[in-house]
Amino acid sequence: EVQLVASGGGLVQPGGSLRLSCAASGFTFSDYDMHWVRQSTGKGLEWVSGIGTAGDTYYPGSVKGRFTISRENAKNSLYLQMNSLRVGDTAVYYCAGGPHLVRGVLNAFDIWGQGTMVTVSS
Amino acid sequence: EIVLTQSPGTLSLSPGERATLSCRASQSVSSSYLAWYQQKPGQAPRLLMYGTSSRATGIPDRFSGSGSGTDFTLTISRLEPEDFAVFYCQQYGSSLLTFGGGTKVEIK
Repeated sequence: EVQLVASGGGLVQPGGSLRLSCAASGFTFSDYDMHWVRQSTGKGLEWVSGIGTAGDTYYPGSVKGRFTISRENAKNSLYLQMNSLRVGDTAVYYCAGGPHLVRGVLNAFDIWGQGTMVTVSS
Repeated sequence: EIVLTQSPGTLSLSPGERATLSCRASQSVSSSYLAWYQQKPGQAPRLLMYGTSSRATGIPDRFSGSGSGTDFTLTISRLEPEDFAVFYCQQYGSSLLTFGGGTKVEIK
């Protein structure tokens, strides 16, 4: 069974840090570009980071310099290090993946995890 | 950054009716790189369509996608009870991905 299981969410104060993890199984993880997507309560989807099969990373301006995505293919694992957290970062964070195309050309996401909740509040 | 605007925000329809959802981009999107996702309450999104008009694995043929340039459409030919959900478009195929704001298809 193809599966992504996200973990590591929780309550953190503004300015704090948190590291999310995502464990993959049931597919060839190293053949997939992987991503984190977040969703605030009652709101839409926002892509927050991506990493290619070669370890190339991609970020939107809203998180660039604060968030770092990484992967460990030997452990079939994806990570998101989040620093300098803000109240506006509060959301459910999903890990997702799409088959690799070519470097710099990211694919649609055909695999999604169940999400982990991050709450930034004092 | 390509901004995607979806309309309408909410579509109220009955089972058996046809649903037409729009996704408009702020600049041209290669037709190879426009996707649609369905999300039900409490669930992760699910890929419906990719490459504008290709159905993902297991997606029934009542779902179809069309469009080019800046205007794209998702059509559900006859709504089934399980189709009522929120739908998002996404442009990909570059190093900066964006989603539309979503269209909720609700039971009338």
